[in-house]
Amino acid sequence: KQEVTQIPAALSVPEGENLVLNCSFTDSAIYNLQWFRQDPGKGLTSLLLIQSSQREQTSGRLNASLDKSSGRSTLYIAASQPGDSATYLCAVTPGANNLFFGTGTRLTVIP
Amino acid sequence: GAGVSQSPSNKVTEKGKDVELRCDPISGHTALYWYRQSLGQGLEFLIYFQGNSAPDKSGLPSDRFSAERTGGSVSTLTIQRTQQEDSAVYLCASVPSASGRVYEQYFGPGTRLTVT
Repeated sequence: KQEVTQIPAALSVPEGENLVLNCSFTDSAIYNLQWFRQDPGKGLTSLLLIQSSQREQTSGRLNASLDKSSGRSTLYIAASQPGDSATYLCAVTPGANNLFFGTGTRLTVIP
Repeated sequence: GAGVSQSPSNKVTEKGKDVELRCDPISGHTALYWYRQSLGQGLEFLIYFQGNSAPDKSGLPSDRFSAERTGGSVSTLTIQRTQQEDSAVYLCASVPSASGRVYEQYFGPGTRLTVT
């Protein structure tokens, strides 16, 4: 069974710092990996989608990398802002109808 | 115990027809989410029910989409006059408490909708 782990579970940084969130998964047979953010009481917002054939994706201050063979992904956030405070989730798609989510990293950016 | 169930698992419909997708959350879970995932796209939030509060419908893509949650349990997502761009996997998730902690979000297996 696919297991997705995210480290750290929680992270606090001062505004302006660059930071890295980590995601690991046990089964490398995936179609894609996604990073999401969730704000309290809200649904998930998809941030970046990396297909299994890709190594990285970038969107604004966000960069996600994927090393499928080692079962790892990182989400890099540059120049963090208080508005980045949220829970960040990674999820892998091993099959058409399944999503395996990590437990998330709760990020707090301190003004 | 039983997890979140969704039915049907697959649905093929002709363009212009209405469809209803059903979600049975885990008994006692107070919050329920609907998402959809189109081919090659990220997961898209559609609607969120929390207890007896008014649902958050901010993710519904058009007025052809609606959802109900009866008795705080079963939810039905209805798509009227389906279009080909509605083809996607529709996922439901339920959450056991008002805190909405994401790691307690239990997803159903999804309904794959294909509009021909």
